[in-house]
Amino acid sequence: AQSVSQHNHHVILSEAASLELGCNYSYGGTVNLFWYVQYPGQHLQLLLKYFSGDPLVKGIKGFEAEFIKSKFSFNLRKPSVQWSDTAEYFCAVKRVDSTLTFGKGTMLLVSP
Amino acid sequence: NAGVMQNPRHLVRRRGQEARLRCSPMKGHSHVYWYRQLPEEGLKFMVYLQKENIIDESGMPKERFSAEFPKEGPSILRIQQVVRGDSAAYFCASSRQPGQGAGTLSEQYFGPGTRLTVT
Repeated sequence: AQSVSQHNHHVILSEAASLELGCNYSYGGTVNLFWYVQYPGQHLQLLLKYFSGDPLVKGIKGFEAEFIKSKFSFNLRKPSVQWSDTAEYFCAVKRVDSTLTFGKGTMLLVSP
Repeated sequence: NAGVMQNPRHLVRRRGQEARLRCSPMKGHSHVYWYRQLPEEGLKFMVYLQKENIIDESGMPKERFSAEFPKEGPSILRIQQVVRGDSAAYFCASSRQPGQGAGTLSEQYFGPGTRLTVT
């Protein structure tokens, strides 16, 4: 069965620190990859997505993610986080013939 | 993405009662997905529906749970005889016609969720 692993359940950073959230998946075939964010009290929003082409994907709010096929990874990065980035971040993977599979999420707390 | 509506936002039920969760997809979307989020867990896929059709219900428990998406009106997720373990946040998402093959996926837009508490 396909699975999605997010390495850290909780991350605490100070403002201006750099962020990298890990995501690995288990399926070896063609996949579409997503990062969603859920701000406190709000619904899930799409941060960025990878379908094909350039493995470095730029999303909203200064986030980016790099698809490394050989490592089955799609890590999320931001060079300098802000207090407003405090949220829960979910990695999700979709195969062509299947539905979205989510990771368990990483709660990011940015202290001012 | 604020166009996906879910109600109620919070629902409290006693053990043994029925819970009905509603989801109205975004305008122009004909596909609906239901997910469940348990504490400390990610979202787990439950069911995928098109108007009047269940496309994939592989993530839905075989008993007590059912879902429908009628020709008119919202999609309904129904949980009969609720138990404490059903307490969770239930999210609905909608999309246009999903594509066939990689690279043509239709993006899913999520609703605000319904938080079900079973007492």
